[in-house]
Amino acid sequence: NAGVTQTPKFRVLKTGQSMTLLCAQDMNHEYMYWYRQDPGMGLRLIHYSVGEGTTAKGEVPDGYNVSRLKKQNFLLGLESAAPSQTSVYFCASSRWTGPREQYFGPGTRLTVT
Amino acid sequence: AQTVTQSQPEMSVQEAETVTLSCTYDTSESDYYLFWYKQPPSRQMILVIRQEAYKQQNATENRFSVNFQKAAKSFSLKISDSQLGDAAMYFCAYRTVSNFGNEKLTFGTGTRLTIIP
Repeated sequence: NAGVTQTPKFRVLKTGQSMTLLCAQDMNHEYMYWYRQDPGMGLRLIHYSVGEGTTAKGEVPDGYNVSRLKKQNFLLGLESAAPSQTSVYFCASSRWTGPREQYFGPGTRLTVT
Repeated sequence: AQTVTQSQPEMSVQEAETVTLSCTYDTSESDYYLFWYKQPPSRQMILVIRQEAYKQQNATENRFSVNFQKAAKSFSLKISDSQLGDAAMYFCAYRTVSNFGNEKLTFGTGTRLTIIP
């Protein structure tokens, strides 16, 4: 049982390049989330999904797109990377009932130069 | 909007001693969930403990316990018998009970805990 996994773990992009971060979970969770973590700011929600085929905006969605074609996968895309998107990105998943405790992946460190 | 405040950017404690990390929050809701997450140098976010606001009893998980003061909107984490492996950044987080349109966890800015051998 791997929990929540993220690919890749590190990436360096040049301004204007695009990339996709992949999140996978094997806990059969309905909900999945993408956060970014910046120094001194805690974690902020980018987008989330309450089920296969559905996505919604979080707190800081601009510059990102997401897709949830399969229940176990949640993709985060950057179409035209900017230096302001340099951050550590975390994926998380949870059940749809109860406290919906979120279980996090190991994170992806992205640097945009 | 809900806010979570951790007023101690850094704390340190001697190994085997007890330390308390502070967290306050602001909300107009009466029912919600509160969490403490631990982030060690490996970067992995690990759930430490959870508290439901409707429960008066403070949550406990082994050496970790909380002091939940609903009226004061305070949710502190006590770590007993501190161990070297407890060294990490600790985040307090709030989530509404509402099922629609409020899925985010609101995080505090974290407290870095150092364990002194």
